[in-house]
Amino acid sequence: NAGVMQNPRHLVRRRGQEARLRCSPMKGHSHVYWYRQLPEEGLKFMVYLQKENIIDESGMPKERFSAEFPKEGPSILRIQQVVRGDSAAYFCASSPTGALAKNIQYFGAGTRLSVL
Amino acid sequence: DQQVKQNSPSLSVQEGRISILNCDYTNSMFDYFLWYKKYPAEGPTFLISISSIKDKNEDGRFTVFLNKSAKHLSLHIVPSQPGDSAVYFCAASGASYDKVIFGPGTSLSVIP
Repeated sequence: NAGVMQNPRHLVRRRGQEARLRCSPMKGHSHVYWYRQLPEEGLKFMVYLQKENIIDESGMPKERFSAEFPKEGPSILRIQQVVRGDSAAYFCASSPTGALAKNIQYFGAGTRLSVL
Repeated sequence: DQQVKQNSPSLSVQEGRISILNCDYTNSMFDYFLWYKKYPAEGPTFLISISSIKDKNEDGRFTVFLNKSAKHLSLHIVPSQPGDSAVYFCAASGASYDKVIFGPGTSLSVIP
């Protein structure tokens, strides 16, 4: 009965490199959300996905950031050409189906990205 | 444009006393509210929620109160315990929303 699994827990990249963050939702969950937490700030919504579909990406920067949730495998948050300002904790959450049930999200432990 | 506000960044309470964490929201379309608790180096965990059709929901030591007219909710923890020391996030969503909007969090310290 594993929870939401995120890997890696810590990721160090140099400026200009790519960062790939992975999230496996809880078993039976088909909704995935990505959040970013900057130091001393709250959780900022980035993107909401269902299997093979991006439902809402209004919180995602227009450039360099992309997300997917394929039919098979984990959800991936990809950051191209990272900059120091991308350094943050990135959290993934999942929720089950259902209009009300989806309001309760289950979070992973996060990936801490450090850009040197 | 912060739709969910937690104006107290931090709060200190003596063990055994009541902790009251406050949250205000601006969007009248929100109809479901949640509190999450977060320990350092961990992800947030769901604590308690309330629907807008209610004004109170209780779960053990945790009670959430909702005042719709004031667009205000609060989380009461009584009695407070040292293990309650964490960051508490207030969050809101609506029937027409697919996403949950989080507040900036309040860091609670319960002093033994």
